Order: sequence, then C-alpha cells, then structure tokens
Amino acid sequence: DIQMTQSPSSVSASVGDRVTITCRASQGINNFLAWYQQKPGKGPKILIYTASTLRSGVPSRFSGSGFGTDFTLTISSLQPEDFATYYCQQGHSFPFTFGQGTKLEIK
Amino acid sequence: EVQLLESGGGLVQPGGSLRLSCAASGFTFDNFAMRWVRQPPGKGLQCVSSINENGGATYYADSVKGRFTISRDNSKNTLYLQMDSLRADDTAVYYCTKGYSTYHSDWGQGILVTVSS
Repeated sequence: DIQMTQSPSSVSASVGDRVTITCRASQGINNFLAWYQQKPGKGPKILIYTASTLRSGVPSRFSGSGFGTDFTLTISSLQPEDFATYYCQQGHSFPFTFGQGTKLEIK
Repeated sequence: EVQLLESGGGLVQPGGSLRLSCAASGFTFDNFAMRWVRQPPGKGLQCVSSINENGGATYYADSVKGRFTISRDNSKNTLYLQMDSLRADDTAVYYCTKGYSTYHSDWGQGILVTVSS
C-alpha cells in the first residue's frame, strides 16, 4: 500500500496568516492527489483534486501543488471558517489511502 | 444538490452483523462509483470498500475482506454495506461517499457503528 505522510500533525495560526501543509507519498503517484477539509462532527469535504484543481465553490485562497511524491496545500489568508482538520488522499492505486491528518488550530 | 443519507448503524456485539444503507439523491446514481470510508473515534480515514457504477466490480480493504460485502440497488438509488463477524476494531463512523475518478467528491454525514459487549 502507498503510505501518505502529512506534516505537521497540528499547527496553530491566526486569522490572516498564510499556512502550508505538506503531504509525502511513499512512492510516486503522479498528480493523483486530493485534499479534504473536515470540521468536527461532519463528513469531509473535497477541496482540491489532481493535486491542484480547485473544486467548484471552494474559495481561491486554497491552492495545491506538487507532483510525484511531494505535495502542498496552501491557505493564503486564513479565515475563521478554515480552522479544521485537513487530509490528503492518493488516488493512484488501490487502496486509495489517506494521510493521518493535520489539525489547524487558532493561535 | 447531492445528498447521501446513511442509516443502519448502532451497537452490536463482537461477532454480530449489521447492514448499513445509504440513500442517494441529487445526481444520477448509476453513473457513479460509490464507496464506504470509515473513521475510528479520534482517528483518520480509511476507505473500506468501493463498487463501480453497475455493481460488477468491487474492492475491499484487507482488514474487512471476507467479512464485509458492498452492493447497490440502482433502481432504489441505494448503496449497502453488509458487515458480518464484526470486531471491536470495526468501531467507527462510516461514511458513504460518491466517487469522482479516484476521489470522494461528496460525503454523507456519517453513521456510528459500535462493536462492544
């Protein structure tokens, strides 16, 4: 199975900050990567797929990049509603594994 | 608007069975693969099973293979997960998801399955 490792596991930031979360795959996955946001008690919501394609309706302050094994999710200017847990997921081969999550907390 | 509504969860003893259902609406159900993803309390996400558009191809995580069975009824716009020989480590919130390529484009609100004596 492809292992997905996110860093950091948690991060504290303030409204207006720029935040970057990284995700590393244990083997190359081309650009078959998605990012999800999950708020407490809710199902995750897809933000980005194929590494950099923003899902319709997702604010443009979210962006993704990367190819192969290393990927990033960047939030350019944090808003109060962005404090949540973020997961990456590889879509290259079964099983489609997730990273362990990054909890974004208010400083 | 896509809606996915899970039902059928609850408390079951080890070795018991449950059948989860997911009622889908807001999209053409038989055009999309569907999946079940679970999340143990306080932990991360695991895709446990997937089924293609016509039900002819299925996938199972190793941890549930031989115990869980995914199926769908396209005439009822409903996805199922039959869970047998349940173990304590199957305790989780189970989400129904709509597939988009190899991703999960939409998620239900989740249903809790607790395996305990």
